[in-house]
Amino acid sequence: ETGVTQTPRHLVMGMTNKKSLKCEQHLGHNAMYWYKQSAKKPLELMFVYSLEERVENNSVPSRFSPECPNSSHLFLHLHTLQPEDSALYLCASRQASEANTGELFFGEGSRLTVL
Amino acid sequence: GQNIDQPTEMTATEGAIVQINCTYQTSGFNGLFWYQQHAGEAPTFLSYNVLDGLEEKGRFSSFLSRSKGYSYLLLKELQMKDSASYLCAVVSNDYKLSFGAGTTVTVRA
Repeated sequence: ETGVTQTPRHLVMGMTNKKSLKCEQHLGHNAMYWYKQSAKKPLELMFVYSLEERVENNSVPSRFSPECPNSSHLFLHLHTLQPEDSALYLCASRQASEANTGELFFGEGSRLTVL
Repeated sequence: GQNIDQPTEMTATEGAIVQINCTYQTSGFNGLFWYQQHAGEAPTFLSYNVLDGLEEKGRFSSFLSRSKGYSYLLLKELQMKDSASYLCAVVSNDYKLSFGAGTTVTVRA
């Protein structure tokens, strides 16, 4: 139990569906992240929210839409995805500070399959 | 941009030592993390280095040379449960962490 909870753990969707991934952190951190993990590839940073404000958007296609309603919750809204978007989507949180020693705490991930 | 390189796979015998190297070229440097990820599970924190030198924590040690853009993770007295993927990650500013592709370590009996 890392203090970061992601739902659903598994999701299968068609290319025309709309779905959302949810992340909740109980650690009081001030930054939340979405990463995409594909087999044999580096974790790809998608979005970063610091104090509920988006501070990083790593050239992610518009079919992925993040939402951070408060410092404890992060969503990833999915719309008209492609089969190549199938991957493990990891949420993480961190206490970002000048010391930069804050480690990332990851959720278990949401395994997405796009048919 | 960020460029973080680590070997794809390593295999070692139970009880042995394995060293996983990580080289990086980043637009800024504010520390380096090592994470462990078992199959189907979340990555978990192993170590953090921001100054040159060796940090030891039980069977695991991590080394950093900032001038060489180089780090290694040393796993001693390998156990079967150490079979996992090991991720090197560099902090470039106060919120951005960039990861390598991970090194899959297989421990054989």
